[in-house]
Amino acid sequence: EIVLTQSPGTLSLSPGERATLSCRASQSVSSNYLAWYQQKPGQAPRLLISGASSRATGIPDRFSGSGSGTDFTLTISRLEPEDFAVYYCQQYGSSLTFGGGTNVEIK
Amino acid sequence: QVQLVQSGPEVKKPGASVKVSCKASGYTFISYGLSWVRQAPGQGLEWMGWISGYNGHTIYAQNLQGRVAMTTDTSSRTAYMELRSLRSDDTAVYYCARARCGGDCYVPTYYFDYWGQGALVTVSS
Repeated sequence: EIVLTQSPGTLSLSPGERATLSCRASQSVSSNYLAWYQQKPGQAPRLLISGASSRATGIPDRFSGSGSGTDFTLTISRLEPEDFAVYYCQQYGSSLTFGGGTNVEIK
Repeated sequence: QVQLVQSGPEVKKPGASVKVSCKASGYTFISYGLSWVRQAPGQGLEWMGWISGYNGHTIYAQNLQGRVAMTTDTSSRTAYMELRSLRSDDTAVYYCARARCGGDCYVPTYYFDYWGQGALVTVSS
């Protein structure tokens, strides 16, 4: 099973700042099959990125995904108030597993 | 627009069973599979399994084999997840989610583009 480690566990930033979230896999993720989700309290997760870098329908372009192999990054170029949430990565190249999440909180 | 609407919260005793429903609309039901993902309080996401909307073929997570059963009713565009022999650590929010296949759909390589609102299942004596 591929284990995904997300870092940092918590990221404290101000609106307007850039957020960089990391997702590291214990083995190479086949075909860069890596997705990112956003989850707000009391809500279901929302798909942001699939295939490591393809934005889902309706996702603003301030969200971008990059990386390959074992190292992946989600970048939010300028944080908006509605972006403060928990973010999960998920690999689907070999069975599927989720990372433990990064909480992006208001500083 | 794509919508997945789930049944309401449940409270069950240890050893009982629970059945959660997920009604789909806004897309061709038989063209996609559905997965179930659960989230224990304050915890991360755990994939439980997948069912084909086309032929009802199922793939279950190994740790739930024998306790979980997923079914669909194509006439009502509804998927069901039944979990048996409930334990306290089954307390969680249960989500259905439309599954997009990374490759072969009969291998569990999915990501999830639409999610239901979740159904809280509480297991307590």
